[in-house]
Amino acid sequence: SQQGEEDPQALSIQEGENATMNCSYKTSINNLQWYRQNSGRGLVHLILIRSNEREKHSGRLRVTLDTSKKSSSLLITASRAADTASYFCATESRGADGLTFGKGTHLIIQP
Amino acid sequence: DAGVIQSPRHEVTEMGQEVTLRCKPISGHNSLFWYRQTMMRGLELLIYFNNNVPIDDSGMPEDRFSAKMPNASFSTLKIQPSEPRDSAVYFCASSLERGDEQFFGPGTRLTVL
Repeated sequence: SQQGEEDPQALSIQEGENATMNCSYKTSINNLQWYRQNSGRGLVHLILIRSNEREKHSGRLRVTLDTSKKSSSLLITASRAADTASYFCATESRGADGLTFGKGTHLIIQP
Repeated sequence: DAGVIQSPRHEVTEMGQEVTLRCKPISGHNSLFWYRQTMMRGLELLIYFNNNVPIDDSGMPEDRFSAKMPNASFSTLKIQPSEPRDSAVYFCASSLERGDEQFFGPGTRLTVL
């Protein structure tokens, strides 16, 4: 069953703008992770936020987590053409093994 | 470290044939995962090993799929017999411990004709 659901499914913005992607999930989690996948490549880990954390930063990335709403957001500031990729949220649920991935947001940065 | 290594990168086979996908995790990682990615179903966890022991294989589609991890540096995913609906990209990933960030291999693109 799908745990994480990303929103929107696709997003196209101009270079330099900020991109925001959202993720909702259903069960209690230990942590939530965001990954990027370039076309034809494997996934690359971006950031991990634990259930007791509310916000985390890494370079131009900012992730928030609201466990009461079972949602997370990924903000990419000052977007670049190289940020064009699919972005997935993945949850590690309590009592479960492995990660459950959403179907991803396809982000296109127009130069 | 070379990262997670998968082979082959591409595999084209005919229905009914046996397919074996291979994975070498990052040295020192204790957890290994096999995923399958399709347009329709997205990324699905097939099986998870911890310290070479299969912990959760509930994602394995059916008995045609089997996975082994004979040692800490090698795992295989076998499909026998293969069917066209098995066509997908199969990823192997490893992490230091369960719950840590996962490092993905480049994937094996499988096409079953």
